Amino acid sequence: QVQLQESGPGLVKPSQTLSLTCTVSGGSISSGGYYWSWIRQHPGKGLEWIGYIYYSGSTYYNPSLKSRVTISVDTSKNQFSLKLSSVTAADTAVYYCARSVPGGIFGTLISFDPWGQGTLVTVSS
Amino acid sequence: DIQLTQSPSFLSASVGDRVTITCRASQGISSYLAWYQQKPGKAPKLLIYAASTLQSGVPSRFSGSGSGTEFTLTISSLQPEDFATYYCQQLNSYPFTFGGGTKVEIK
Repeated sequence: QVQLQESGPGLVKPSQTLSLTCTVSGGSISSGGYYWSWIRQHPGKGLEWIGYIYYSGSTYYNPSLKSRVTISVDTSKNQFSLKLSSVTAADTAVYYCARSVPGGIFGTLISFDPWGQGTLVTVSS
Repeated sequence: DIQLTQSPSFLSASVGDRVTITCRASQGISSYLAWYQQKPGKAPKLLIYAASTLQSGVPSRFSGSGSGTEFTLTISSLQPEDFATYYCQQLNSYPFTFGGGTKVEIK
């Protein structure tokens, strides 16, 4: 079964760039059919979808973060990555990666499954 | 953005109770709604997709219904392992959004 695992620094300084990687095992990103998402959860709060990437490299970003977000994919390593620039304390959150599953008409996404375990990133000097 | 409003935000219930959580969308989302369960320190787990389709491996005491703007998640007989926070998510329109969550605690 497919499993996802986030990795990256747990502490980032303000104004710097947050960089995380999600490693996929049990399945190949390049086989297509799925989209690969990043989601974050501020401490004690709800969930915010950041964006997704397809194995071809096509992306969609949440407009609220679009100016600071880059999601990329490395099919040779079966990984996809998140970069969030110019971070502030407001970007402190648990960051999750997840597989986004199509199933609707015209391949519309219908769920996020599975999710990685999440990684806490704290923005502080 | 489509806003999802969950009610109640907090629910106290006993083992064996029937529990219903509501998710209302600010505009119609057809049936592009998913429900997740999250336990403390863990990632969300998919329970239901397409408003009413039970994810493989999820107990049949969980069920979902609704379309358009009003949806419900029902737990027919609450079990000890069901105490958690539940989130709805819409996938009808970008950006995908989540409800604020409903925390189910032991009475």
